[in-house]
Amino acid sequence: RKEVEQDPGPFNVPEGATVAFNCTYSNSASQSFFWYRQDCRKEPKLLMSVYSSGNEDGRFTAQLNRASQYISLLIRDSKLSDSATYLCVVNRVDSSYKLIFGSGTRLLVRP
Amino acid sequence: NAGVTQTPKFQVLKTGQSMTLQCAQDMNHNSMYWYRQDPGMGLRLIYYSASEGTTDKGEVPNGYNVSRLNKREFSLRLESAAPSQTSVYFCASSGFHGSNYGYTFGSGTRLTVV
Repeated sequence: RKEVEQDPGPFNVPEGATVAFNCTYSNSASQSFFWYRQDCRKEPKLLMSVYSSGNEDGRFTAQLNRASQYISLLIRDSKLSDSATYLCVVNRVDSSYKLIFGSGTRLLVRP
Repeated sequence: NAGVTQTPKFQVLKTGQSMTLQCAQDMNHNSMYWYRQDPGMGLRLIYYSASEGTTDKGEVPNGYNVSRLNKREFSLRLESAAPSQTSVYFCASSGFHGSNYGYTFGSGTRLTVV
């Protein structure tokens, strides 16, 4: 089983739609959580950190549920430019502190 | 600011050839990382350097070596390339190992081993 699991998608939604992605992680020692965005054939870029109380950045809302070990990303009023792969990332609290990446969820926003 | 710069951007190697992937960052970051990305596998950590003068193995280190040349530069070497090493390689850096601020990635090196 992968340490960070995501539905690969693709999620195909019309412009203006609201779409949500979930991600589950298996290691309860995970401490920090992030969403990265990766455009086709480009490098991953940090979209937002995920805080315990949940946080919002414009049209994007991230939630963390430590008890169930899942993270979510909600995108409201989808734009064509939101089309990308969204990577769920966790940072373990152990001797390594390495970022562990999910395989990503692909989003396609159509006109 | 250039951020994280990787060279080359593309490379084709024959099985058994060697090469070094270069990475440099200009953000005065302490920690640097090498990942590979394969379809359906996500990014997997090859090696990392938590600070200048230290290197450690990641999830998939076999077939690779690294050198933290100075604070700015972290290179990845393939001594004898194999087709299984065909992948996209990303270098990343962060202020501190275990940072809550995430990583900054370079634009990647697309490597094909034939």
